[in-house]
This record gives sequence, structure tokens and C-alpha cells, in this order.
Amino acid sequence: AQKITQTQPGMFVQEKEAVTLDCTYDTSDQSYGLFWYKQPSSGEMIFLIYQGSYDEQNATEGRYSLNFQKARKSANLVISASQLGDSAMYFCAMRPDLYSGAGSYQLTFGKGTKLSVIP
Amino acid sequence: DTGVSQDPRHKITKRGQNVTFRCDPISEHNRLYWYRQTLGQGPEFLTYFQNEAQLEKSRLLSDRFSAERPKGSFSTLEIQRTEQGDSAMYLCASSPGTGGNSPLHFGNGTRLTVT
Repeated sequence: AQKITQTQPGMFVQEKEAVTLDCTYDTSDQSYGLFWYKQPSSGEMIFLIYQGSYDEQNATEGRYSLNFQKARKSANLVISASQLGDSAMYFCAMRPDLYSGAGSYQLTFGKGTKLSVIP
Repeated sequence: DTGVSQDPRHKITKRGQNVTFRCDPISEHNRLYWYRQTLGQGPEFLTYFQNEAQLEKSRLLSDRFSAERPKGSFSTLEIQRTEQGDSAMYLCASSPGTGGNSPLHFGNGTRLTVT
């Protein structure tokens, strides 16, 4: 079974500052993928960034980067130069590598962190 | 690519009634997923289709729930004899059939309220 833990129910950040959202995970799978999604108040889940467990470099996507520390089982999201539009719920998620033979296609989500950007 | 479309956006029903939701995935995405999200929680997996085959179901999917994807395109999720505990946002997602790291693309969801 897989488990995602997001320990920060809410975070505040000043506009234009950087912020780190924490995510730790637990899995017995050897190969897996980690995802971050953003959910604005409108409700849509928006994919932000992906990190494979065997990727040697941390993933980056524009202002988003993933600080992946495999030994610590953490996959923190870093948002640089925060904007007012970044205010939303952020979810960390994981699933087994679909080619690992684990047999499960489900994406397991954490409870999320509500980010509020202050002007 | 018009995105994942879900209908209706909102549904209010009385306890004991049946409801059906529809999901139209991104065209050419052969993987389709249903998730349920309650207030203050992350989405929880319900079921997964590859083309028309339902390959995985969560234990959350009780016998009152049924999902279909008859032609491998759109999907429906039916809840029979609704209960107040079924009140939630029901999210549909799709992804392409290739690539182990393909992200799920979600629709805007159907918010169900059971009174």
C-alpha cells in the first residue's frame, strides 16, 4: 500500500517570495512516480510536475521544482516567485511505475496543503 | 484537445434516489479514472478503465456504485439508492495509453449533494 503525508494544512507566503510545500511518502514499490497537482477554488485538478523514482535529477517545470530526496522519502514542491494566482490547494500524489508490474493504476493522494499568497 | 468534460457540474438529489454522471475524456486517451473527493480530503480512487475494460476497482466502490465505458470513449458512473455519505465531488480523469509517467488530466468534477 502507498501513503502520502502532507503535514502542512495551510501555508502563507508573501508575493514574489519562494515557498516549499512538504510531502513525504511510504511505499514498498521499487519503482514509482510522484506528482503534484494544484486545485484552485474552481475545483479542477491541474497537473504541475512529475518525478520518477529513478530520475537522477530533480524535476523542474517553470516556477515549479521538486526537491526529491529518495532516502528520506520526501518530494517537496518548491514554488519560486509566488504569484497571487498560486493561491490554491496543492496535492502530492504517487503511483507505482506502470511498467513495474505492480498492477495498480491508482494515484494515491495526500490531504493537501492550502497555500495563500499575500500581496 | 478540449479537456475532460463532466456532466452535470452539480447534482442535488434526495436520499434513496439514483443518479448518473457522465465523463467525456480527452479524445484518444484510452485510460479513464473515477475519483471521489470529500471536503478537506484529497481525491480517492474509485475505478479505472483501459478502453472499455474495467481493470481495477476500489473497495470504496460498494455494490450501489457501477461504472461503465461501453465503447471505450465516454464513461458513466451510477449511484443507486443514494445516501447522505455519498455527498462529494466526483472527479473523472483520463491519460494516454503510453508512458508510465503520464499524468492524469482531470475534469471539473460533478458535485453531488444528497439531502
